[in-house]
Amino acid sequence: SQKIEQNSEALNIQEGKTATLTCNYTNYSPAYLQWYRQDPGRGPVFLLLIRENEKEKRKERLKVTFDTTLKQSLFHITASQPADSATYLCALAYNTGGFKTIFGAGTRLFVKA
Amino acid sequence: GAVVSQHPSWVICKSGTSVKIECRSLDFQATTMFWYRQFPKQSLMLMATSNEGSKATYEQGVEKDKFLINHASLTLSTLTVTSAHPEDSSFYICSAGAPGSGNTIYFGEGSWLTVV
Repeated sequence: SQKIEQNSEALNIQEGKTATLTCNYTNYSPAYLQWYRQDPGRGPVFLLLIRENEKEKRKERLKVTFDTTLKQSLFHITASQPADSATYLCALAYNTGGFKTIFGAGTRLFVKA
Repeated sequence: GAVVSQHPSWVICKSGTSVKIECRSLDFQATTMFWYRQFPKQSLMLMATSNEGSKATYEQGVEKDKFLINHASLTLSTLTVTSAHPEDSSFYICSAGAPGSGNTIYFGEGSWLTVV
């Protein structure tokens, strides 16, 4: 079965630095990959989507890369701020006659002032 | 972005009773909604896909008689946890894909269920 691996340990970085989060998957590549932010006790909030034929996507301070050879996506937050502290989820969508989405366990990011 | 609303945000119920959670798409019609369950520090686990006007599709290992899903309209899906037990206590989240959003999934705020 498909597995998604995200850094299980929390990532601690200093304000102003770039945070890089990793999402690795096994088996076959998804039709598209998404990144979500989840704050404690809240539902996930969509951030970025990247398709299998795209290498990179940017949105303000966020950047996502997608390497189907390495079966990996990297999520970058530049000029990080304490408000960026949250759990970031990687989600892979597969077309199985309808899109089915599988989520990683998420990586907790702490940005220190 | 599109808005998905859940109600209630949190609920406490006694063991053996049933509790209903609602999921509404406020500004778009959703033929398909999804129900997830999330335990602390764990991933979202897809429980079932709710299809408007037809039966829900349950993931392997999810008891359909325990987690009743009804998608009676294009803007409302409900999840009823029947004969709830303490082990059913969890964070339940619904989501829906908004048409024209490039397959982006929008999530509700989630519902905390505590069974005592």
